[in-house]
Amino acid sequence: RKEVEQDPGPFNVPEGATVAFNCTYSNSASQSFFWYRQDCRKEPKLLMSVYSSGNEDGRFTAQLNRASQYISLLIRDSKLSDSATYLCVVSFRVTGFQKLVFGTGTRLLVSP
Amino acid sequence: DGGITQSPKYLFRKEGQNVTLSCEQNLNHDAMYWYRQDPGQGLRLIYYSQIVNDFQKGDIAEGYSVSREKKESFPLTVTSAQKNPTAFYLCASSIRGAGTEAFFGQGTRLTVV
Repeated sequence: RKEVEQDPGPFNVPEGATVAFNCTYSNSASQSFFWYRQDCRKEPKLLMSVYSSGNEDGRFTAQLNRASQYISLLIRDSKLSDSATYLCVVSFRVTGFQKLVFGTGTRLLVSP
Repeated sequence: DGGITQSPKYLFRKEGQNVTLSCEQNLNHDAMYWYRQDPGQGLRLIYYSQIVNDFQKGDIAEGYSVSREKKESFPLTVTSAQKNPTAFYLCASSIRGAGTEAFFGQGTRLTVV
């Protein structure tokens, strides 16, 4: 089983749609959770951290369910500029080192 | 501006050659990392360093080597022992400690010709 699993997509949605991405992780000792955005042939950039109580940043809402080892990202009112790959990232300690494990990413295509 | 810089952006290597990818950061971060990204796969950890003069193997270290002589610099050498080196290489840095995000350089796209 992969440490972090995501649906690769692509998700094709029209502008203005609401879209949700899911991610599961296998290590119950995972401590921190993030969503990164990666544009084609570019480096990943932090979209938002994910907190236990859930958190929102404008049109983006992230949720964490530790019991089910599940993370989600909701994007409301999709824009053309939201087209990208969204990476789920989980961190946990390995012999004193905070290791970041990346999912393969979910690709989003927003069309006019 | 603070940031992390990788060079070159594109690199072509002949089979059997060693090549070195540069990574420099001025964010004053202790921890630095090298990842490899292949199409359809997530980022895989090659090497990491938590402090100057110390580094550890990641999940796919075979055929790679690194050094960490300065806090700002973490170069990666892709040796001829790496069987399939064509990939997108990403360097990152972070503050040491739990829950901290990683900042990435723009990446180096290595192609073996």
